[in-house]
Amino acid sequence: EAGVTQFPSHSVIEKGQTVTLRCDPISGHDNLYWYRRVMGKEIKFLLHFVKESKQDESGMPNNRFLAERTGGTYSTLKVQPAELEDSGVYFCASSPLPGQGDNEQFFGPGTRLTVL
Amino acid sequence: QKEVEQNSGPLSVPEGAIASLNCTYSDRGSQSFFWYRQYSGKSPELIMSIYSNGDKEDGRFTAQLNKASQYVSLLIRDSQPSDSATYLCAVKNTGKLIFGQGTTLQVKP
Repeated sequence: EAGVTQFPSHSVIEKGQTVTLRCDPISGHDNLYWYRRVMGKEIKFLLHFVKESKQDESGMPNNRFLAERTGGTYSTLKVQPAELEDSGVYFCASSPLPGQGDNEQFFGPGTRLTVL
Repeated sequence: QKEVEQNSGPLSVPEGAIASLNCTYSDRGSQSFFWYRQYSGKSPELIMSIYSNGDKEDGRFTAQLNKASQYVSLLIRDSQPSDSATYLCAVKNTGKLIFGQGTTLQVKP
């Protein structure tokens, strides 16, 4: 069974540019989460999709971040315009719905974003 | 006070010893607790989950939970150099995970 995949693995952009990150969850997992780790800090929650609906977006830093999950499959996270403080590693995780198995979250390899 | 606290380490143990990693959390209503292992530059890998007070064993790993003390620990028996990694404690809160900063474990041959 394929795990969570993310693309790209690395992205280097200049301040003011736009970047779109993609996450493909484990097949059949309806829960999809985005997290971010900035240097020296702990991994922090950004938002949570259940299928195509945003369940919780309390961790989104500001309106420069836009997440979508059209069709309830893969998700994208767009940062526009990027700022220096957006640099970090963006992780995606997925889990099945309760009752469909253990409700544990499985993480992708992350996208390392560097904003210059 | 951080929601989930871990000593950042590094914790250094000799090969074959028991490594003990600790975590405290602030939300007394938390019900689900997880330990992830993360090698440098890799994704967090789930190694243990625990939901009720007491011990849960899986191979060389034992997770311990004490909800009254708001304390979770991970014991690694017969530590191997390949166990050298950062260990992340995570507490589930309304669906999302709240992470500690992680403890770096170094197992010396």
